[in-house]
Amino acid sequence: AQKVTQAQTEISVVEKEDVTLDCVYETRDTTYYLFWYKQPPSGELVFLIRRNSFDEQNEISGRYSWNFQKSTSSFNFTITASQVVDSAVYFCALHYNQGGKLIFGQGTELSVKP
Amino acid sequence: DGGITQSPKYLFRKEGQNVTLSCEQNLNHDAMYWYRQDPGQGLRLIYYSQIVNDFQKGDIAEGYSVSREKKESFPLTVTSAQKNPTAFYLCASAGLPNTEAFFGQGTRLTVV
Repeated sequence: AQKVTQAQTEISVVEKEDVTLDCVYETRDTTYYLFWYKQPPSGELVFLIRRNSFDEQNEISGRYSWNFQKSTSSFNFTITASQVVDSAVYFCALHYNQGGKLIFGQGTELSVKP
Repeated sequence: DGGITQSPKYLFRKEGQNVTLSCEQNLNHDAMYWYRQDPGQGLRLIYYSQIVNDFQKGDIAEGYSVSREKKESFPLTVTSAQKNPTAFYLCASAGLPNTEAFFGQGTRLTVV
């Protein structure tokens, strides 16, 4: 089965704390792509990062970093020194070649309090 | 400007009526998607299309229909057969599989 699981429904932190959002995926394909999106209160999804299945290098972009581990089928997202503007719903997504589907996890609602 | 446009932003309909949600893109993308978002359930795939005149059912296609007569357009019809149509609907488009999907602003449908 092809599936994306974000077990954390809601996370609440205080500004400047580090926070990690978990994402676990299932797929039979050997070639696939993983994504993270941010959904602010306005509702429109904003793309953050993509990873293909052959690239396990971790990535850092400012306060954001991503850890991709094929051995555990995980693609976790860490925000360092969180800010109130980081408050949003974050989605992990999987695109796999068989059939071209793009599927999403349930989302994690992050609340960063001042 | 290039992008993906959904209209209207808010839509109200009476129970038993069909309603069509518009989705247009000028990004020259081949793939287009429709999702439904309910609180606590993330984004669930309704239909998707990888090429003009072809589309596939997603995970929750019952009570919905689509067409893909033009590359730019992928309208979604919510039929009276959909038992619980009130939701937030998002349309997306994507180019190659290794590129990100672009999303519209969404349509919030309320059926009364």
